[in-house]
Amino acid sequence: GAVVSQHPSRVICKSGTSVKIECRSLDFQATTMFWYRQFPKQSLMLMATSNEGSKATYEQGVEKDKFLINHASLTLSTLTVTSAHPEDSSFYICSAPQGYNSPLHFGNGTRLTVT
Amino acid sequence: AQTVTQSQPEMSVQEAETVTLSCTYDTSESDYYLFWYKQPPSRQMILVIRQEAYKQQNATENRFSVNFQKAAKSFSLKISDSQLGDAAMYFCAYREPFASGTYKYIFGTGTRLKVLA
Repeated sequence: GAVVSQHPSRVICKSGTSVKIECRSLDFQATTMFWYRQFPKQSLMLMATSNEGSKATYEQGVEKDKFLINHASLTLSTLTVTSAHPEDSSFYICSAPQGYNSPLHFGNGTRLTVT
Repeated sequence: AQTVTQSQPEMSVQEAETVTLSCTYDTSESDYYLFWYKQPPSRQMILVIRQEAYKQQNATENRFSVNFQKAAKSFSLKISDSQLGDAAMYFCAYREPFASGTYKYIFGTGTRLKVLA
């Protein structure tokens, strides 16, 4: 089946630094990838839709300059949390459909802790 | 805007028994997809079952089945012969119709299922 690989699984960084999270589709081409944020015991909140070769589409209330998304190839999308602050601590999950009729395939998620 | 509502924050079921998780959604579209995803403590999202809105027949996957009521905009998940491994957070999700090459998935708030031995 389709596999989405997300790295790192855990990261701890100091306030003010930037962190990059990678999301790769290992055995299929993903023209679209979705980035979600999940707070403890809550649902998945869509942050942005990443499209290969074009700018990401951000959801209302998500800071574009804070959460930089790059989708430079059909198998890789990255989310960079810039100038991280403790309130950015959360669980971030990427996902991608294999095709139009395919369900979402999810990465394992990244637990970000900003100290 | 489309919304997905899961009115049961938590459910419990005895091992080997049957449990039904509720989901309602709101949309003006006629063609869309519905999904149930499972998130165990590992937090890996796992697809349980999917339903195409244009299909009247309810989807089934082994012990998992859905009751899809399109007119009522209801999409419940039935788990038969519950197992300890079924304990997880269950999310109902709606997928918008394809438009301009992109489409969103909207998730409900989730139902935490506990399986009692």
